[in-house]
Amino acid sequence: NAGVTQTPKFQVLKTGQSMTLQCAQDMNHEYMSWYRQDPGMGLRLIHYSVGAGITDQGEVPNGYNVSRSTTEDFPLRLLSAAPSQTSVYFCASRGLGGVETQYFGPGTRLLVL
Amino acid sequence: SQQGEEDPQALSIQEGENATMNCSYKTSINNLQWYRQNSGRGLVHLILIRSNEREKHSGRLRVTLDTSKKSSSLLITASRAADTASYFCATDETGNYQLIWGAGTKLIIKP
Repeated sequence: NAGVTQTPKFQVLKTGQSMTLQCAQDMNHEYMSWYRQDPGMGLRLIHYSVGAGITDQGEVPNGYNVSRSTTEDFPLRLLSAAPSQTSVYFCASRGLGGVETQYFGPGTRLLVL
Repeated sequence: SQQGEEDPQALSIQEGENATMNCSYKTSINNLQWYRQNSGRGLVHLILIRSNEREKHSGRLRVTLDTSKKSSSLLITASRAADTASYFCATDETGNYQLIWGAGTKLIIKP
């Protein structure tokens, strides 16, 4: 079991560029989510999904798009990067069958210049 | 939005001492979970306590839950330098898919 994997680990973008952060899980979890974490702060939910074909907005969705074509994958797309999107991004997944804990990926550090 | 609140925001103690962190929340929950985050890494699940439980132990960790006060505490006994990390509580709310996260407590264990 690889758990939750994320790529890339680090990325530097120029303002206005677009990119996709990849996230995959091999635990057959229905729920997947993306968070951003700014220095010294907690997690803020960007988007989440409760199954293939279903996505919804979290607390800070502006500037980001997601899709969920398969159970395993949940990519996060930055449409036009801005310096305010400099952050560490975490993908997470959990089952929805009962009492479920959340599993996190190792994170992607993004710097937007 | 984040509804969990943790205190203290930061805690610095000597190795061997006990560390206590608190978490308060606002709504009805199914369970409350504690996670640890080492610097720059993803969060790792530590312990889960259900709404009908009052206390739970796991190794050097002890978690209590008071649903009447909507609060929980995490006690780490006999702290070690390796316990240095940020600790987050998350509530699994009734009828909500999302976990609601606190802002975290940064724990520093001084050797």
